[in-house]
Amino acid sequence: AQSVAQPEDQVNVAEGNPLTVKCTYSVSGNPYLFWYVQYPNRGLQFLLKYITGDNLVKGSYGFEAEFNKSQTSFHLKKPSALVSDSALYFCAVRDPNTGNQFYFGTGTSLTVIP
Amino acid sequence: EPEVTQTPSHQVTQMGQEVILRCVPISNHLYFYWYRQILGQKVEFLVSFYNNEISEKSEIFDDQFSVERPDGSNFTLKIRSTKLEDSAMYFCASSESPSGGLETQYFGPGTRLLVL
Repeated sequence: AQSVAQPEDQVNVAEGNPLTVKCTYSVSGNPYLFWYVQYPNRGLQFLLKYITGDNLVKGSYGFEAEFNKSQTSFHLKKPSALVSDSALYFCAVRDPNTGNQFYFGTGTSLTVIP
Repeated sequence: EPEVTQTPSHQVTQMGQEVILRCVPISNHLYFYWYRQILGQKVEFLVSFYNNEISEKSEIFDDQFSVERPDGSNFTLKIRSTKLEDSAMYFCASSESPSGGLETQYFGPGTRLLVL
């Protein structure tokens, strides 16, 4: 069965420090992996996706994510966190063999401390 | 930048009542979705809609639920007789085309439904 795990409900990081938001997945085939961010009272905003090719994917607002097939992970990273990065982050996976629906993680709340 | 919009932002209803949640997808998008998130739980897929018919639905999407594209811009989710456990945030999403799963889905801000 397809699933996504975000092991940390909350991540705190000091402004200027690197940040990592973790995601692991389980799908039957080759996954399509996505990261979305949700700011208060806003919809889920697309950050980046991995479909195929280079394992390091760069996205919006300076974020990047690394696809690691052996560890079935797709951790979100940013070299230098900003206070404005504080938001709720969702990892999602789509198994192209089973349709177009997303399977989401439970979300990780990121707080960047000034 | 075009956005998916949803109305209302909040809806409170009595158990057993019908509710209709409304969404306006991005104008050139052809594929539409509803998801829900019960407080503290995962975002869950409900249904996808393409070419005026349901293309996929989850186990959650039972006979109490229906979707419709009544005109060229709106996409609605109807819950016929609400239950307490329907209380959740409901997200609408749209994408340009199915494209075998490659395309990005764009989400609205959600409607928070509370069933009393």
